[in-house]
Amino acid sequence: NAGVMQNPRHLVRRRGQEARLRCSPMKGHSHVYWYRQLPEEGLKFMVYLQKENIIDESGMPKERFSAEFPKEGPSILRIQQVVRGDSAAYFCASSTDGYNEQFFGPGTRLTVL
Amino acid sequence: KQEVTQIPAALSVPEGENLVLNCSFTDSAIYNLQWFRQDPGKGLTSLLLIQSSQREQTSGRLNASLDKSSGRSTLYIAASQPGDSATYLCAAISRGGSNYKLTFGKGTLLTVNP
Repeated sequence: NAGVMQNPRHLVRRRGQEARLRCSPMKGHSHVYWYRQLPEEGLKFMVYLQKENIIDESGMPKERFSAEFPKEGPSILRIQQVVRGDSAAYFCASSTDGYNEQFFGPGTRLTVL
Repeated sequence: KQEVTQIPAALSVPEGENLVLNCSFTDSAIYNLQWFRQDPGKGLTSLLLIQSSQREQTSGRLNASLDKSSGRSTLYIAASQPGDSATYLCAAISRGGSNYKLTFGKGTLLTVNP
């Protein structure tokens, strides 16, 4: 039973490019969470999604960031017009519902040159 | 707003020593408290999850305690080994309107020297 999968594991982008991070939840999980870990900082909640719905995006920056979890396929975190401050590790977690334990993926390390 | 603090930020000990990592949180109305391990460049591995009705959880050489009234949790590692070297994160889990909300500390970087 594979755990939460994220790809790519490492992503390098130049300033102004777009970054697309993908997350496949554990089998049987339909709830996905995205977290960001800036250097020397703790993980910060960004967004919580169920299939085809954004439930809570209170931690998401208002501009350039968007997330989706389509009916088919992985959840996508999209960052447009990346800047150096977006360099961080982005973690995805999944759960069976909003009030069960979240299981974390290995993360995507984004480096913006 | 929940804030989680972990002390110390870094700890270096010789192999075999028993040690305690500390976690404090400002809002005692938490649902659960969870300890994770993060290896360099890797994801998070859950170590122990303490429900609010519990005071401690044990797994092998690890023991985590929770005191909600004082806003504190400790992770005790017995007979430390070089393989225990990692960053240890604690997360206070609160019940939001539609889901659990995890608030993480910045972590304690543990180095166990052979």
